[in-house]
Amino acid sequence: NAGVTQTPKFRILKIGQSMTLQCTQDMNHNYMYWYRQDPGMGLKLIYYSVGAGITDKGEVPNGYNVSRSTTEDFPLRLELAAPSQTSVYFCASYSLGTGYNSPLHFGNGTRLTVT
Amino acid sequence: KNEVEQSPQNLTAQEGEFITINCSYSVGISALHWLQQHPGGGIVSLFMLSSGKKKHGRLIATINIQEKHSSLHITASHPRDSAVYICAVIEGGADGLTFGKGTHLIIQP
Repeated sequence: NAGVTQTPKFRILKIGQSMTLQCTQDMNHNYMYWYRQDPGMGLKLIYYSVGAGITDKGEVPNGYNVSRSTTEDFPLRLELAAPSQTSVYFCASYSLGTGYNSPLHFGNGTRLTVT
Repeated sequence: KNEVEQSPQNLTAQEGEFITINCSYSVGISALHWLQQHPGGGIVSLFMLSSGKKKHGRLIATINIQEKHSSLHITASHPRDSAVYICAVIEGGADGLTFGKGTHLIIQP
C-alpha cells in the first residue's frame, strides 16, 4: 500500500517553462488536494477534487490547472512558470463518507524552484 | 469557514519535559487531525480524532467536541520530537479542510 505518491521530488524550471506535478493515491480516496507551502508559512490550497471528473479552485489557483480523470490521479499543471511559484507543493487525500472518515494522507512534497 | 487557532506558536523545552499543544476551532467538525512536519520534510498524520482520546507511544491526543478544543501531549519529550505540529479540521463540505498555522516545537537536549 503506497499511500500518496508525488513526483518529481525536486525540479528547477526557467521562467516561462511548463511542467506537470504528478500525484497518485491507491487508497480509493474521494477527496484530493494540492497545496503549496512557502518558507515559514502554512499550507495554501491551490485546487481540490471531490471525485473523478470534478475539480474546483482553492484560494491560490492562478497559474495552475488540474484534472481528475480517475480516482487515483490528480496532476497539477504549471503553465508559464513564474518565480512566485517557487515553493514546496504537497498533494493530500482522504475519504469522507457516511459514518466514516479516513486519515489524512500527504505525499512527500515537490520542491520547485523557478529561476 | 472554520477558524482554527493553535497555541503556542513557538515552544522551546528541555528534553524530558511534558509538552502540550492546543487547538481550538469555531465550527462543528466531522474530524480533527494532528500532523507533524520535520524541517524540510514531509507531512505525517499522527492522529485522527472525532471524539475522546487516542494514544500512540509518547503521544496523546484529546478532543472535546462541546468546547471545540483539542490538545496534543508529548510525554518524556526528546530532541527528535522537534518539528512543526499542525492541527487540521474537516467539516462536511468538499473544501472543508482547514489548517492551523502550526506550532514550532524545539526540544533541547
